[in-house]
Amino acid sequence: GAGVSQSPSNKVTEKGKDVELRCDPISGHTALYWYRQSLGQGLEFLIYFQGNSAPDKSGLPSDRFSAERTGGSVSTLTIQRTQQEDSAVYLCASSTSGIEQFFGPGTRLTVL
Amino acid sequence: QKEVEQNSGPLSVPEGAIASLNCTYSDRGSQSFFWYRQYSGKSPELIMFIYSNGDKEDGRFTAQLNKASQYVSLLIRDSQPSDSATYLCAVTGSQGNLIFGKGTKLSVKP
Repeated sequence: GAGVSQSPSNKVTEKGKDVELRCDPISGHTALYWYRQSLGQGLEFLIYFQGNSAPDKSGLPSDRFSAERTGGSVSTLTIQRTQQEDSAVYLCASSTSGIEQFFGPGTRLTVL
Repeated sequence: QKEVEQNSGPLSVPEGAIASLNCTYSDRGSQSFFWYRQYSGKSPELIMFIYSNGDKEDGRFTAQLNKASQYVSLLIRDSQPSDSATYLCAVTGSQGNLIFGKGTKLSVKP
């Protein structure tokens, strides 16, 4: 079956612009996670959605970051007024059991 | 704040040897432990998870957990060049997310 998909695969933007990153989880997976991976760094947790419950936003690095999940499926991560330190690979993962998280291919964001 | 520590490597082993990857974690209450493999430019993929003290084997891979020492390891037997990747250790966070170490880069030389 289809895995987690993310779009775009690459995004280059100018400092100060807003960007939207999309994640389409595996069908039937109720849990959805956003992480980011900066060069040479481990994965940093950003936000977690479980079904239709309010998300856990505790990992978001600033109020410029927000995310929503529509209909318990597709999720969008929005970064407002992007900064150069936002440059990273943004990874989405989904899970049905909370045990195994399946990762998408990621979106590489470059802020010039 | 939970932390996961790994030696960044690179760890270089000859083909056919046993590769040993190690990880320590800070939260004694952690319950679930994961090893992910990440090829360059690719996303992480789960290799194994372990909950109980002791060893868990899956093919050429063995995960070892010692909760008293807060230590998790991954052994790769008969290492192949295709095993060359970065190996990420992770523990479950309080929100159901994963807390990752920075990874150990493994290089298997033919």
